[in-house]
Amino acid sequence: GAGVSQSPSNKVTEKGKDVELRCDPISGHTALYWYRQRLGQGLEFLIYFQGNSAPDKSGLPSDRFSAERTGESVSTLTIQRTQQEDSAVYLCASSLATVMNTEAFFGQGTRLTVV
Amino acid sequence: KNEVEQSPQNLTAQEGEFITINCSYSVGISALHWLQQHPGGGIVSLFMLSSGKKKHGRLIATINIQEKHSSLHITASHPRDSAVYICAVILSARQLTFGSGTQLTVLP
Repeated sequence: GAGVSQSPSNKVTEKGKDVELRCDPISGHTALYWYRQRLGQGLEFLIYFQGNSAPDKSGLPSDRFSAERTGESVSTLTIQRTQQEDSAVYLCASSLATVMNTEAFFGQGTRLTVV
Repeated sequence: KNEVEQSPQNLTAQEGEFITINCSYSVGISALHWLQQHPGGGIVSLFMLSSGKKKHGRLIATINIQEKHSSLHITASHPRDSAVYICAVILSARQLTFGSGTQLTVLP
């Protein structure tokens, strides 16, 4: 597609349920990032995928969070046993290589509300 | 102290005014991004720069690596420029570190 696509755009879930967020990066982009933005706060790094290398999971806040990406395709971010503090906008970005060298393109985000 | 500091946090301007948003960072970097976040949450990359100056339309970004400072300028501001502007620096090969953003409101 022309840009980074995320789905769903909005998700309301009950506390304790699992949710799965999807990101379709720009075709050919080897690098994919997940960020989180809580209401009124800045962007937080969650996880980074680069090609077939082991992902950098250093930003994941707890073991309830996991993410997968097969090759250079779609990525899914899964949050298990959601808590109210997980409510945030989850943003995905992709770039041709690392952000050292190329621009990052962001999706529109998934707004997650845990009630 | 945050690694990336933006100022001002909030800025209100009249249409047509020249606007400057500043970004300072505390560690050496190789490049910096300016991002624009629209009210609906979507983020657009405006510039990525590692030295000097870049211009795109009414937007100008400058960076001084030695002084650890970057500025984003908007000439002839317009209400549609109203958004949050975010400075992000590249501290490692893997991720961006973001400033807290500047909320810009341009009044007609």
